[in-house]
Amino acid sequence: AQTVTQSQPEMSVQEAETVTLSCTYDTSESDYYLFWYKQPPSRQMILVIRQEAYKQQNATENRFSVNFQKAAKSFSLKISDSQLGDAAMYFCAIMDSNYQLIWGAGTKLIIKP
Amino acid sequence: NAGVTQTPKFRILKIGQSMTLQCTQDMNHNYMYWYRQDPGMGLKLIYYSVGAGITDKGEVPNGYNVSRSTTEDFPLRLELAAPSQTSVYFCASSYSPLLNSPLHFGNGTRLTVT
Repeated sequence: AQTVTQSQPEMSVQEAETVTLSCTYDTSESDYYLFWYKQPPSRQMILVIRQEAYKQQNATENRFSVNFQKAAKSFSLKISDSQLGDAAMYFCAIMDSNYQLIWGAGTKLIIKP
Repeated sequence: NAGVTQTPKFRILKIGQSMTLQCTQDMNHNYMYWYRQDPGMGLKLIYYSVGAGITDKGEVPNGYNVSRSTTEDFPLRLELAAPSQTSVYFCASSYSPLLNSPLHFGNGTRLTVT
């Protein structure tokens, strides 16, 4: 069974600063995908970034980047130049070859103006 | 374009009653998921489907059943409701979760079993 752990229930960062959200996971598969999703108060899940496990290069998407450490089963999200609109719940998720999408408990990100 | 529609929004059940949570999407998505979210917790996968006629168990399937007779509809059935099934239920769909296509969520159904 796959598991995803987000150890930070809440994080806060000053606007324009950088923040890192942590995520660790466990899987017995060698081929899988990792995702970070954002859930604003509207409740809709918004895909932030994804990483294929077979790729060594860390994914980046504008101000969002990941630090993927496959051996350590770690998948942290770095948000640079934080903006007020980044405030939301952030969820880490893993998908295996059976297309099961398993989620962490989430981290609430607060942006201080 | 309605997206993912869940009904009802709220429901109170007595222990032992049954009900069906409806989920329909109009985006021709093959992948559909049912999750429950307990207070302060993440999403737990109940069942999922990769296409019409195909369903699979997720992390917490006990006490639930699903069917996928059409691409659009993915109802979740609760038989013999128990207080442990009190939660918020989310249905989601995606064109292809392995591509950069987003996961669309419904607005959720808040279920209380007393």
